[in-house]
Amino acid sequence: NAGVTQTPKFQVLKTGQSMTLQCAQDMNHNSMYWYRQDPGMGLRLIYYSASEGTTDKGEVPNGYNVSRLNKREFSLRLESAAPSQTSVYFCASSSTHLTNQPQHFGDGTRLSIL
Amino acid sequence: RKEVEQDPGPFNVPEGATVAFNCTYSNSASQSFFWYRQDCRKEPKLLMSVYSSGNEDGRFTAQLNRASQYISLLIRDSKLSDSATYLCVALDRGSTLGRLYFGRGTQLTVWP
Repeated sequence: NAGVTQTPKFQVLKTGQSMTLQCAQDMNHNSMYWYRQDPGMGLRLIYYSASEGTTDKGEVPNGYNVSRLNKREFSLRLESAAPSQTSVYFCASSSTHLTNQPQHFGDGTRLSIL
Repeated sequence: RKEVEQDPGPFNVPEGATVAFNCTYSNSASQSFFWYRQDCRKEPKLLMSVYSSGNEDGRFTAQLNRASQYISLLIRDSKLSDSATYLCVALDRGSTLGRLYFGRGTQLTVWP
């Protein structure tokens, strides 16, 4: 059972470089999410996609863009990486975003911006 | 002020002890609640949902007090494997987003 798969697991970038974090789920979930987790801050929502074809900003969207490529895949892009974006990024999915169904998380991507 | 507040701990308890965590939420529109567990350098995983009447899953008991807007998690007969960070989570279905709000987590260490 793959669940939610994130790639890459680790990445080091230089300031100003761009990259895309990939996320795919095989649970036929409608909703997908991107979070970042920083020490002492907890999980903060960057962007989410309630269903295929829709995306919306979360709590901390600045500096990021997302694409819901299809029902399975939801990517997060950093166009010009900054040191403040050094963090652990988690992708999650849930059956829908409006019920009490829990979210399932990927393993995370540890991103360092130098 | 964060939507969900937790005591960060750390809580250090011996094996076999009973430990309780509390968390408060500020948004009265929050309608569903969860406890997640996160091991060091791992992803959060659902531990249990929290129901209005309270619910139990083995050694774990979750309680919800809507009047006081707090949620609790009780762990009985602690095991070494219970060492982790416990995240309190509230689902706000009052907005179109239906967002989950995560607390910062309470760290638990169970020692032999």
